[in-house]
Amino acid sequence: KNQVEQSPQSLIILEGKNCTLQCNYTVSPFSNLRWYKQDTGRGPVSLTIMTFSENTKSNGRYTATLDADTKQSSLHITASQLSDSASYICVVSARDYKLSFGAGTTVTVRA
Amino acid sequence: DTEVTQTPKHLVMGMTNKKSLKCEQHMGHRAMYWYKQKAKKPPELMFVYSYEKLSINESVPSRFSPECPNSSLLNLHLHALQPEDSALYLCASSTLGGGPKNIQYFGAGTRLSVL
Repeated sequence: KNQVEQSPQSLIILEGKNCTLQCNYTVSPFSNLRWYKQDTGRGPVSLTIMTFSENTKSNGRYTATLDADTKQSSLHITASQLSDSASYICVVSARDYKLSFGAGTTVTVRA
Repeated sequence: DTEVTQTPKHLVMGMTNKKSLKCEQHMGHRAMYWYKQKAKKPPELMFVYSYEKLSINESVPSRFSPECPNSSLLNLHLHALQPEDSALYLCASSTLGGGPKNIQYFGAGTRLSVL
């Protein structure tokens, strides 16, 4: 069964600090891995997308890494801002358009 | 334009009502999706349309009836819903195929409450 597990479930950080979110998956055959940001009551917005040959990808203050051998990914947020408070969802795609969603990590940034 | 527009933003309906959710995109995407998301849970796939034809129905109860009148529009018709159907309903669209360019773009969702 294709699974995506994220950790931690939630975290609180001070504005300006960095944090790293983790994602482990068992989806096979693997096509790509995406990180989405979802604000409360809103639809998810894509941050990064990586294929198995890509180790790292950045989008502003967001940097995602992928280790296809160990089936692990991380999302690093640098110099956090209050607007980074959201749920971050790891989504893995097999070789069709069906996505496997992680449960998300809720990030709260405090001033 | 990478926008998927959903209307209404909020909907309150009784269990005997009939209502419809609407979704629109103008990115030329030929795959469109309906998801249901409960609070603090990831989205759950309900339906997938490709080339305006229903290709996946994830065993969704018949009180949810999708419709794709053209390549830009996707509707979800609701009838005789239950209180447990209250959730955020998300529409998404993408190009076809599972490659790295196949990013699903999500709408802001319709917050549905069934009384």
